[in-house]
Amino acid sequence: AQKITQTQPGMFVQEKEAVTLDCTYDTSDPSYGLFWYKQPSSGEMIFLIYQGSYDQQNATEGRYSLNFQKARKSANLVISASQLGDSAMYFCAMRERTMDSSYKLIFGSGTRLLVRP
Amino acid sequence: NAGVTQTPKFQVLKTGQSMTLQCAQDMNHNSMYWYRQDPGMGLRLIYYSASEGTTDKGEVPNGYNVSRLNKREFSLRLESAAPSQTSVYFCASRDQDSSPLHFGNGTRLTVT
Repeated sequence: AQKITQTQPGMFVQEKEAVTLDCTYDTSDPSYGLFWYKQPSSGEMIFLIYQGSYDQQNATEGRYSLNFQKARKSANLVISASQLGDSAMYFCAMRERTMDSSYKLIFGSGTRLLVRP
Repeated sequence: NAGVTQTPKFQVLKTGQSMTLQCAQDMNHNSMYWYRQDPGMGLRLIYYSASEGTTDKGEVPNGYNVSRLNKREFSLRLESAAPSQTSVYFCASRDQDSSPLHFGNGTRLTVT
């Protein structure tokens, strides 16, 4: 069974510091993808960053980077220079291939990040 | 750009009532999805539609039906609502394999 695990229900970080949110996954599909989404208190789902299983470099998008360790099956999100607006729920998700060659995203249970001033 | 539009934003139903959640996207995406989000849990897939004319079950399809009316619209129907279906429902669509899902703003449903 394919699954995705976020072991940190909640985390605190001091403003301007970096923080790492953990995500591990399990899949037998060699061609998979990993996504991170942010969900602020307003409720919308905001895409942050994507890492494909064949990508050679770790993905980066502004202050977000993905620490992708394929052998350990982990795809941790690193947020540098935290801002108060980073306080939100963060979800890791994995692309799972379907029988008709489409795909669906399987989500982890999320990590709630609180940035302290 | 409207993106993915869901209606209604809020709904309260009594047990046994039926309703349809509407979703439309204007990005010409082939695939569309319905998820539910319960407190303390991630999003769980209810149904998806890989392309116009096809639908398939996700992780938690029981108690729901869907219709892919055309390429733009993908509706979710609750035939006989139950309190266990109290949740926030998200519709999403996507373009290509490496593309992220684009989400609507959600429908908050309460069943009493």
